[in-house]
Amino acid sequence: GENVEQHPSTLSVQEGDSAVIKCTYSDSASNYFPWYKQELGKRPQLIIDIRSNVGEKKDQRIAVTLNKTAKHFSLHITETQPEDSAVYFCAATSSNFGNEKLTFGTGTRLTIIP
Amino acid sequence: DAGITQSPRHKVTETGTPVTLRCHQTENHRYMYWYRQDPGHGLRLIHYSYGVKDTDKGEVSDGYSVSRSKTEDFLLTLESATSSQTSVYFCAIRGQPTYEQYFGPGTRLTVT
Repeated sequence: GENVEQHPSTLSVQEGDSAVIKCTYSDSASNYFPWYKQELGKRPQLIIDIRSNVGEKKDQRIAVTLNKTAKHFSLHITETQPEDSAVYFCAATSSNFGNEKLTFGTGTRLTIIP
Repeated sequence: DAGITQSPRHKVTETGTPVTLRCHQTENHRYMYWYRQDPGHGLRLIHYSYGVKDTDKGEVSDGYSVSRSKTEDFLLTLESATSSQTSVYFCAIRGQPTYEQYFGPGTRLTVT
């Protein structure tokens, strides 16, 4: 099955700087890669996703890039703000005859230093 | 929040007792999922459903069973709870034809 590795496990950046979180996946058939943000005590929230036919996608201060050849994808947050502090999870599909299942990375705790 | 609720939101139970968690959705989505979240492990899939009475195992299904007798409800049962099943349990839904999954508020289960 699919295996997703996520790095780093913790990341601290100065407010206003950029943050980058990286994930690798093992199944070359995976074709959907979402990112979730989870604040303390809350549910994971989908913040951005990318499909395998696209190399990059942006939504305001966040962007995701995908390199299918190398089987890795990254989350980029620019001009970080205190409200960006949270745990971020990447995920990839594991296709099973149309019943796609997500496999998640182990998470990155992002702390924005004021 | 995609019309997903979970009950109970918190539960403390003793080892060996049966426990059932409920996920309820109001938007007629076909796919429903149960995950557990533990420190250092992220979110791991327990079971999922792709329709009424259609379910399949995820990566950590041992000790858990599920049932889906109607579209809106997906039940997760721990037949005989163990301390290793202390966790936060999230339900999620996905509509077709998208892959996007949306999570419920979670249930914090403590097995003593």
